[in-house]
Amino acid sequence: QKEVEQNSGPLSVPEGAIASLNCTYSDRGSQSFFWYRQYSGKSPELIMSIYSNGDKEDGRFTAQLNKASQYVSLLIRDSQPSDSATYLCAVIVISQAGTALIFGKGTTLSVSS
Amino acid sequence: GAGVSQSPRYKVAKRGQDVALRCDPISGHVSLFWYQQALGQGPEFLTYFQNEAQLDKSGLPSDRFFAERPEGSVSTLKIQRTQQEDSAVYLCASSLETSGSTDTQYFGPGTRLTVL
Repeated sequence: QKEVEQNSGPLSVPEGAIASLNCTYSDRGSQSFFWYRQYSGKSPELIMSIYSNGDKEDGRFTAQLNKASQYVSLLIRDSQPSDSATYLCAVIVISQAGTALIFGKGTTLSVSS
Repeated sequence: GAGVSQSPRYKVAKRGQDVALRCDPISGHVSLFWYQQALGQGPEFLTYFQNEAQLDKSGLPSDRFFAERPEGSVSTLKIQRTQQEDSAVYLCASSLETSGSTDTQYFGPGTRLTVL
């Protein structure tokens, strides 16, 4: 069972709309959650981290975490064509082998002008 | 340097060849990570170093994969007897602190390996 699940998309939204990206994870002990943005052919770039239940806002981005439901989401307000990319959800998983950052497959977002 | 650098950026190998991929982390960063990203997938963890110590190699897919960071700075990921399923982008990331994966990781541009 994949530890971090995302809908691969593509998610298509018009310019100016709100894009909602969702992620679920299986490890109830996880405490650290990240959203990375990856443009085609480029490396992942961290855009948000969240550690506590609730919302965390940074500019046009809001991360939401619900540990009881094992759910983390990313909202992008006033979406721009430059937001078109793959968004990767990543979760810290601690096991006997060690601590690892586990990524989902990513959701592809397309913002049309 | 300004960021994580990796070389080569592209590598084409014939099946059975050995390859070595290099990562230069951000200066002063203690932790270094290697990931494998197949097309259409998210990065998958391979291994983690804290300084020169390899603390976690649970993600290495087979004993053909070997990583080292002998002086606690530059790291090399070596793949012996490459197979077609090894074709992927290999990403290196570094982070400043010793808190394992919890600290922000900064990714390099990756090495795209194609095995023919």
